[in-house]
Amino acid sequence: DTAVSQTPKYLVTQMGNDKSIKCEQNLGHDTMYWYKQDSKKFLKIMFSYNNKELIINETVPNRFSPKSPDKAHLNLHINSLELGDSAVYFCASSQETYGGDLPQHFGDGTRLSIL
Amino acid sequence: EDQVTQSPEALRLQEGESSSLNCSYTVSGLRGLFWYRQDPGKGPEFLFTLYSAGEEKEKERLKATLTKKESFLHITAPKPEDSATYLCAVLSGSARQLTFGSGTQLTVLP
Repeated sequence: DTAVSQTPKYLVTQMGNDKSIKCEQNLGHDTMYWYKQDSKKFLKIMFSYNNKELIINETVPNRFSPKSPDKAHLNLHINSLELGDSAVYFCASSQETYGGDLPQHFGDGTRLSIL
Repeated sequence: EDQVTQSPEALRLQEGESSSLNCSYTVSGLRGLFWYRQDPGKGPEFLFTLYSAGEEKEKERLKATLTKKESFLHITAPKPEDSATYLCAVLSGSARQLTFGSGTQLTVLP
């Protein structure tokens, strides 16, 4: 009965390919996030959606495009993958709108490796 | 720009040997400081939220405290199952997202 689930867990692909990562939460939260965790373990926000509306869009290459079909789902599509995209991508959710100070709940990550 | 620095980067303790992890922060108006635990191959698991200086929260062997410049995560009589990476994050008054530190990797030896 996973609260925040991501698929796939592992993704190994060639440079230049296009891939998608899916995220679903069953907590009834209204805000979802994508984070990137690099090899030094820093978690950095990429995007945030509140009720299907984009509210945070950090300095991320436009090869990354989030899509939220409903408030329980937030997918991440990546075009023309590059070596530097190799990382662990985490989805998270929280019950809070703008400037929320309630805890975020994380999925177990998608480990993306670019060959 | 919000900044979070955690120390030490790694800590090895014997079972039962109490210690503290540090999280120093620089923010423009703290709205909340969060502690998470992350196990290998897993996502961060929420532990505590602290909102104002002087606040303390406890959970089993863990106790988090907050001052105006830093937070401590005290671990009393740790057990091997407490081994994990502990992450600290802040939410400032002006920011719309969490800023994370790089974590402290804790290893508790039996």
